[in-house]
Parts: sequence; C-alpha cells; structure tokens
Amino acid sequence: DQQVKQNSPSLSVQEGRISILNCDYTNSMFDYFLWYKKYPAEGPTFLISISSIKDKNEDGRFTVFLNKSAKHLSLHIVPSQPGDSAVYFCAAKRTNYGGSQGNLIFGKGTKLSVKP
Amino acid sequence: ETGVTQTPRHLVMGMTNKKSLKCEQHLGHNAMYWYKQSAKKPLELMFVYSLEERVENNSVPSRFSPECPNSSHLFLHLHTLQPEDSALYLCASSLESGIGTEAFFGQGTRLTVV
Repeated sequence: DQQVKQNSPSLSVQEGRISILNCDYTNSMFDYFLWYKKYPAEGPTFLISISSIKDKNEDGRFTVFLNKSAKHLSLHIVPSQPGDSAVYFCAAKRTNYGGSQGNLIFGKGTKLSVKP
Repeated sequence: ETGVTQTPRHLVMGMTNKKSLKCEQHLGHNAMYWYKQSAKKPLELMFVYSLEERVENNSVPSRFSPECPNSSHLFLHLHTLQPEDSALYLCASSLESGIGTEAFFGQGTRLTVV
C-alpha cells in the first residue's frame, strides 16, 4: 500500500514552459513534504520542502504547493530548462515522531524531460 | 557533492560471494539509512540507524547485514545474494528528527548479482 503516489511516470515539456509534477499522499499524519531530484548514476539531491503549516514555498524557479484537504502537492518549475531533465521524487514524513514513523516515505518518481 | 560518500560505485558479485558496501558522512548527522532502488519501484527503506543503534529493519532478508560502528560510518554486508537483489543501493544521513531533517544521499552503489 503506497502512502506516497506519483501517478505520472514521465513528463515531457518544452524549454521555457512550466513543468508541473504531482504527488498524492494517503497518510493524514504526514506534516513535512520534500522533493528530491535524481540524475542517472547519482543519488537523489534535496530540492525543496514544505511544512504542513504552509500551502506554498518558493525557491527561485521552483515552487511547491500543498493542498492538505486533497492530500496533494505539486512542484512547479518555471521556466523549465534542459538541465532540469531528471527523475523527481516526492517524499513525506511525520516530524513529531522518531523511529520508523519519522522516516521519509518516497513516491516512485516522475521522469521529467525538458526539450530544447 | 552532498557530503555522503559511498564506495564502491559499482559492484558485480556472484551469488556465493561476500562483499560490503561502505558509506561515510561528516555532516554531523546522527541518523543513517540504507535504501534500495529497484527499477519501477519507490525507494525502499532497508535499515535505519539512529545514534548508532538500529531502530528500523523493514523485514529485509538476513543476507543483508548492516553495521554502524560510529555515527559517521555505515556498512552493508552482503552474502549469498540472489539476482533479484541487483539494484541501486543508496545511503543517506540526516538529523534524527524534527522539521528540516531532510536526508542527504550518497551517489549509490550499483550492484549486479550474477
């Protein structure tokens, strides 16, 4: 039973346009959400996060939106660049617990291709 | 560079071999993790060490044996693996809990079992 779902395995976008990556979660106890970016043959690198007390967090070209009632978050990249081509993982956790309940739960990832 | 270093980057081993994966971090983190990434699957948490004690073992087969001698080093000892264990093995570290405790990942070890 997947608690974090990324239903689109891939997304193709033209350079300069907006990329929107989606993520859904089922556990209402999650209160911290993260996006990671992964290039081939490398480990995931942290990109941006959002706490459940917010509905938007922006960092340069990257913005994450959180809709708690829908248990949905999205990552917007604008404008998209060819260097953004990578696999993007959504992750969630409960921050008020240590041990197993405080661990990051990952989605399967979405492969973004930005075409010049 | 994330500050988490894994060696080796690539490993090919036979089903009767014994090998070890190594992970090292000098970020001052007190929790370390082993993840497995197989094709078309989410990142799967295998082991969690917090303050050098194992706090999580997600029903991983005993042919995978972790070791955490100190807060900066983590090993994954492998023996009598199966071909389906071929995957990317990722080490990560973080502060134990709280807001902002994002995990930092190493570059991974690409393991092929033949």
